[in-house]
Order: sequence, then C-alpha cells, then structure tokens
Amino acid sequence: DQQVKQNSPSLSVQEGRISILNCDYTNSMFDYFLWYKKYPAEGPTFLISISSIKDKNEDGRFTVFLNKSAKHLSLHIVPSQPGDSAVYFCAASAEGNSGGYQKVTFGTGTKLQVIP
Amino acid sequence: EAQVTQNPRYLITVTGKKLTVTCSQNMNHEYMSWYRQDPGLGLRQIYYSMNVEVTDKGDVPEGYKVSRKEKRNFPLILESPSPNQTSLYFCASSLSRLLNTGELFFGEGSRLTVL
Repeated sequence: DQQVKQNSPSLSVQEGRISILNCDYTNSMFDYFLWYKKYPAEGPTFLISISSIKDKNEDGRFTVFLNKSAKHLSLHIVPSQPGDSAVYFCAASAEGNSGGYQKVTFGTGTKLQVIP
Repeated sequence: EAQVTQNPRYLITVTGKKLTVTCSQNMNHEYMSWYRQDPGLGLRQIYYSMNVEVTDKGDVPEGYKVSRKEKRNFPLILESPSPNQTSLYFCASSLSRLLNTGELFFGEGSRLTVL
C-alpha cells in the first residue's frame, strides 16, 4: 500500500523554465512533508519541508505547496537549471505516540531532467 | 566533516551467508534509520532507532536485524540473506530523536547483491 505516491516517474524541462513535481498521499495522519534530491551514486539530500499548518514554503528557487484537502503537494523549481537534474523524492511523516516524527514514508521518486 | 559512513559500499554474496552492513555517524545524532531503495518502490524504511538501545521496525523489517549499542553506530544485519534482499541500502541519521526538522542525513549507499 503506497501511502505516498509520485505518479510521474520522469519529467523533462527546458533550462530556465519552471519544473513542477507532484506528490499525493493517502494517510490523513501525515502532518509533515519533505522533499529530497538524489544524484546517482549518492545518498538523498534534504531539500525543503513544509508543516501541515502551512500551505506554502519557499527557499530560493524552490517552493513547496501543500493542499491538505486534496492530500497533494508539489515542488516548484524556478528557474530550472541543468544542475537540478536528479531524482526527487517526496516524503511524509506523522507524529508518533511518544512524540516526534519517527517513521518517514517516501514516494517512488521522479527523475527530473533539465535540458540546457 | 559531518557524515554518515556505510561499509561496504558494494557487496556480492550468496544466499544464506550472514552479512553486516555497518553505519556510523560523527554528528552525535540520536535518530538513525535504514532504508532500501528498489526500482518502482522508492525508499522503504527497514528499521529505525530513536536512541541507544531503542530500536523499532519500519515498513519492511523481515529478514533484517539491527542493534544500537553506541550512539554513533547502527549496523544492519542480514542473518540469512536471500535474493529478494538484493537492493541499494541507505543509512540515515537525524539530530533529534524527535526528528523535529525531518531532515535526514544519508550515507552514500551500499549496493548488495545476493546470488
């Protein structure tokens, strides 16, 4: 049962344009969402996060939008650069009974290619 | 340099031969976790540890064991590996056992092949 879904396995975007990566989740208990970026032969690296009390979080060229009613979040990259070419994982977590976000559930990933 | 170190990075083994993948972090992090990455399935959590001597199952714990005797180390043990455990494994850590920021620091990965 895939609780976090990234329905687009791949995405190609021209350099300078906007990249939009989408993510859907099914577990209504999730209240913290993250995006990670992964280059080949490296571990994932944290990119940006958003709490469920917000609907938008921005960090430079990266903005994450959260639509709780639709259980949907998206990552916008503007402008896209060739160095952004990587696999992007959406992740979600819920606060555990003893406090803290113990289990982080990842999506299947979207491979972004930014064409120069 | 702050890092999460996994060893070995690459391993080919045979069914049933016990193996251990080590993970060590030098950031004094409380929280550590193991994931496996498989095509079409993304990253799935195997086990996690909130602190020394505290471990718990993730989503796919079958066939794996872990231990957390020291804060910096979190080895993944495959007592009797099988071909369906062929995968890319990642160890990750986080400063706070409460994982307040959600920011995980990942190792570079260990590619395991079980024949």
